[in-house]
Amino acid sequence: EAAVTQSPRNKVAVTGGKVTLSCNQTNNHNNMYWYRQDTGHGLRLIHYSYGAGSTEKGDIPDGYKASRPSQENFSLILELATPSQTSVYFCASGDLGGSETLYFGSGTRLTVL
Amino acid sequence: AQSVTQPDARVTVSEGASLQLRCKYSYSATPYLFWYVQYPRQGLQMLLKYYSGDPVVQGVNGFEAEFSKSDSSFHLRKASVHWSDSAVYFCAVSATNYAQGLTFGLGTRVSVFP
Repeated sequence: EAAVTQSPRNKVAVTGGKVTLSCNQTNNHNNMYWYRQDTGHGLRLIHYSYGAGSTEKGDIPDGYKASRPSQENFSLILELATPSQTSVYFCASGDLGGSETLYFGSGTRLTVL
Repeated sequence: AQSVTQPDARVTVSEGASLQLRCKYSYSATPYLFWYVQYPRQGLQMLLKYYSGDPVVQGVNGFEAEFSKSDSSFHLRKASVHWSDSAVYFCAVSATNYAQGLTFGLGTRVSVFP
């Protein structure tokens, strides 16, 4: 069974602070994704990656950076967190992107005060 | 660009009753279509997917979905729901660039009452 692990599970940050959300997958999938989930918006793609060393902008990349240092790890970085970034963030991985199953982590609930 | 519409934000059903969740999609070619389920405080899990062949596709836990090209729809059904089916259900379509993963609908929250 594919496994995607996110940390932390919950995070409270202050406005202007730096936040790093981490994701690890043990399935050797090439593609990894960061989504945020908000009421009324569903899931929206922030960044994605084809493999180690690559990051690409999704639909709502402003205010976020991503890092893929290895096949297993994919981080989402908020350099200057704002209250509008309060949300639930999901990481996902998949071997063939949108043509195959995506496996999701359990999410990180981020609150920016 | 691709898009997914789930017209029902909330659905309430009695245990043992049938369930249908509606999904309409917009896509320039032949899409991969999915239904995912999200249980409370968990990530999303795939129920089923469709690309070609028999328009009725079977999934896990007794769910099935029917594809209609003429109607641009991919509705989800279950003959008899259980209280444990209470969750949020998302319809999704593959991005035109597959590497971009999926585009999701807003979801339908299903509440099953005993």
